[in-house]
Amino acid sequence: EPEVTQTPSHQVTQMGQEVILRCVPISNHLYFYWYRQILGQKVEFLVSFYNNEISEKSEIFDDQFSVERPDGSNFTLKIRSTKLEDSAMYFCASKIRPGTGELFFGEGSRLTVL
Amino acid sequence: QKEVEQDPGPLSVPEGAIVSLNCTYSNSAFQYFMWYRQYSRKGPELLMYTYSSGNKEDGRFTAQVDKSSKYISLFIRDSQPSDSATYLCAMAQEYGNKLVFGAGTILRVKS
Repeated sequence: EPEVTQTPSHQVTQMGQEVILRCVPISNHLYFYWYRQILGQKVEFLVSFYNNEISEKSEIFDDQFSVERPDGSNFTLKIRSTKLEDSAMYFCASKIRPGTGELFFGEGSRLTVL
Repeated sequence: QKEVEQDPGPLSVPEGAIVSLNCTYSNSAFQYFMWYRQYSRKGPELLMYTYSSGNKEDGRFTAQVDKSSKYISLFIRDSQPSDSATYLCAMAQEYGNKLVFGAGTILRVKS
């Protein structure tokens, strides 16, 4: 069964360092997302991406964050200068088309900022 | 009022019981309603997906949506210890870009 894959599964970094989280969405999906879940809290929307541009972003997704689809398969989330409060699970998700809520998530990348 | 409310539990039931999980919401624009299952430190796994009001059944799982009451439910029949997880409700608007999640209900099924 097709799945969303994410790397790394866990990354530990020092505050102020840049981090890149990588995702390979399901191959025929066209809409890509990043969500975040701080330990013990809700899953929160960060950003959506379609046709090589951001279609929507949340208040959390400030200038420290960026997304990119560098080739036909990868989708990345970059955090330029990590803060302690960026520690969370980051989930990549994809769906095939608009007008549907069927969003499929990866297993997540756990980011720990020290 | 929170956009999506969900009792965090934990809900503890014996094996074989019928489980009822639910969420309420305030945004009448929501049209898509999902239930996800999440094991500890794993990604959300889509269980059920419903558009607008009505019921949907898939094996031991039944999802119900009552838009007039802004209330959705997930029923699990013949619950198993392997059903022990956190159950997240999530909702989206028509052609909406994002899902809005509930806080999740922790379910423990005891053998």
